[in-house]
Amino acid sequence: LAKTTQPISMDSYEGQEVNITCSHNNIATNDYITWYQQFPSQGPRFIIQGYKTKVTNEVASLFIPADRKSSTLSLPRVSLSDTAVYYCLVEGRTGFQKLVFGTGTRLLVSP
Amino acid sequence: NAGVTQTPKFQVLKTGQSMTLQCAQDMNHEYMSWYRQDPGMGLRLIHYSVGAGITDQGEVPNGYNVSRSTTEDFPLRLLSAAPSQTSVYFCASSLTSGGLYEQYFGPGTRLTVT
Repeated sequence: LAKTTQPISMDSYEGQEVNITCSHNNIATNDYITWYQQFPSQGPRFIIQGYKTKVTNEVASLFIPADRKSSTLSLPRVSLSDTAVYYCLVEGRTGFQKLVFGTGTRLLVSP
Repeated sequence: NAGVTQTPKFQVLKTGQSMTLQCAQDMNHEYMSWYRQDPGMGLRLIHYSVGAGITDQGEVPNGYNVSRSTTEDFPLRLLSAAPSQTSVYFCASSLTSGGLYEQYFGPGTRLTVT
């Protein structure tokens, strides 16, 4: 399983764009990059997933460069409710995926 | 759909007691799994199931048993509780295999072993 490295914490203010970068140097050809969000006292929640280039949904964007050794989760115009821990995971295409959660990035959004 | 449900939400056990954490999903998902999360840490996989009647060990299986007699239910049994098992336990499910299918997590069970 590819190991991922993320910043331990980030601070932001309401209305700003937040970019969280994840490093996954050993990503395999068939691996996808997935981001989960976890609020205190709740289970993780899927945010976005991508394989290459850019993926956008109603919550976030995911940027993946051509070499796929890193990825960036972009949260546009964050609000206080975006305060959470964000996990970057690398998952294979087939078979049961034993999700490997690191310690994630703790994002604190202030007024 | 209720999604993934877990009971109880909170539990306090004495060392040596046994109990079962319940997990159910109503999405007809094939894959189910149990994770534990210790304070300030990520989640670690305990056991998982790829379908009814099929289970396997994850990263930290010692002290836990599972069974999967139906598609919907995946209970986690603590055989003889120890203080080291104090943690928050999350159950998750996904439609089928591969990273193309997101995992849905339950709300968690906060377990304290004294």
